Amino acid sequence: GIQVEQSPPDLILQEGANSTLRCNFSDSVNNLQWFHQNPWGQLINLFYIPSGTKQNGRLSATTVATERYSLLYISSSQTTDSGVYFCAVRVYKYIFGTGTRLKVLA
Amino acid sequence: DSGVTQTPKHLITATGQRVTLRCSPRSGDLSVYWYQQSLDQGLQFLIQYYNGEERAKGNILERFSAQQFPDLHSELNLSSLELGDSALYFCASSVDSGTSYTGELFFGEGSRLTVL
Repeated sequence: GIQVEQSPPDLILQEGANSTLRCNFSDSVNNLQWFHQNPWGQLINLFYIPSGTKQNGRLSATTVATERYSLLYISSSQTTDSGVYFCAVRVYKYIFGTGTRLKVLA
Repeated sequence: DSGVTQTPKHLITATGQRVTLRCSPRSGDLSVYWYQQSLDQGLQFLIQYYNGEERAKGNILERFSAQQFPDLHSELNLSSLELGDSALYFCASSVDSGTSYTGELFFGEGSRLTVL
């Protein structure tokens, strides 16, 4: 089946720093989403991005479907950005990557 | 608020018992998915229903079963519970249609199951 790999697995930043999270997938997909799981366990939709680039405030994402990767950019990070970031790809069912655990220090 | 409702939010039970988790999808969404997340682990796909019928199956144990009812709500039944079944169980929904696999996924807040 399709493999989804995320990097880095862990990331520690000082508040105000920028970061790039990567999601690689092994086959063509119909859809790709980025989620943020906050420290309380809630899964929050960040981007629905099967291809192209989208921006939402300090966050932006780019998916290059032909090269089978997606990037999530976080700028001017805040402590509330802490948590785990998952990408999920869909062929017919959604497959999740193992996540990037982000900790932003004040 | 994603619009996906899960109950109960927390559940503590003993080994060998049976529990039922309930999910109401977003209005208009025909697909319901169940995922399991054990402590500090990723999300494992269990099963998907589309408009009342099973559409895809993942790593769901034989002790677990699910169904989607005519009003589109879904229930996940976990029986003969073991300590290792302690986890967050998420329900998600997407609009989907026919053979379309492009619907955006929205998650409920999860049901945290503790088996003692």
